[in-house]
Amino acid sequence: DQQVKQNSPSLSVQEGRISILNCDYTNSMFDYFLWYKKYPAEGPTFLISISSIKDKNEDGRFTVFLNKSAKHLSLHIVPSQPGDSAVYFCAVGGGATNKLIFGTGTLLAVQP
Amino acid sequence: GAGVSQSPSNKVTEKGKDVELRCDPISGHTALYWYRQSLGQGLEFLIYFQGNSAPDKSGLPSDRFSAERTGGSVSTLTIQRTQQEDSAVYLCASSLARRNNSPLHFGNGTRLTVT
Repeated sequence: DQQVKQNSPSLSVQEGRISILNCDYTNSMFDYFLWYKKYPAEGPTFLISISSIKDKNEDGRFTVFLNKSAKHLSLHIVPSQPGDSAVYFCAVGGGATNKLIFGTGTLLAVQP
Repeated sequence: GAGVSQSPSNKVTEKGKDVELRCDPISGHTALYWYRQSLGQGLEFLIYFQGNSAPDKSGLPSDRFSAERTGGSVSTLTIQRTQQEDSAVYLCASSLARRNNSPLHFGNGTRLTVT
């Protein structure tokens, strides 16, 4: 039973356009949400986060949106750049757990 | 500045052998996590250490897996009698605080291949 789902294993976007990555979770007790980016042969690196008291958090080209009623979060990258090509993982935490639960990842390819 | 360091970066072992994976967290980070990523899968939580508290071992897949954290710093993950399904990238992460809203800093992982 996957508690965090990223239903799109891959996404291809043209340089300069918007990339939208989606993530769904099942447990309404989660109250902290993060996105990580992973290049091949490297560990994931923290990108952006949002707590459940907000519905949007922006950092430069990256914006995370949270829809608590739908248990859905998304990451928008605009404008997309070729260097953004990587695997993106969403992660959720909170409630009684100390651990972060990760999704299966979405491979983003930004075409020049 | 030094990040999370893991060794070895790659390990090939025969089925049935024991392996030890090492993690050096960022200095001053009190929380340490082990995750693994199997081919085509997400990051699977294995174990969590926080200070002197008892570790959260709820993610360890079997009793062949164990981990220690000595002196609140370096951690070793041991897999006994390895099986082919143990093949994965084992990732260590550390963070400043116990709260799960403190971002994790990951090492580059150890790629384990069991033949």
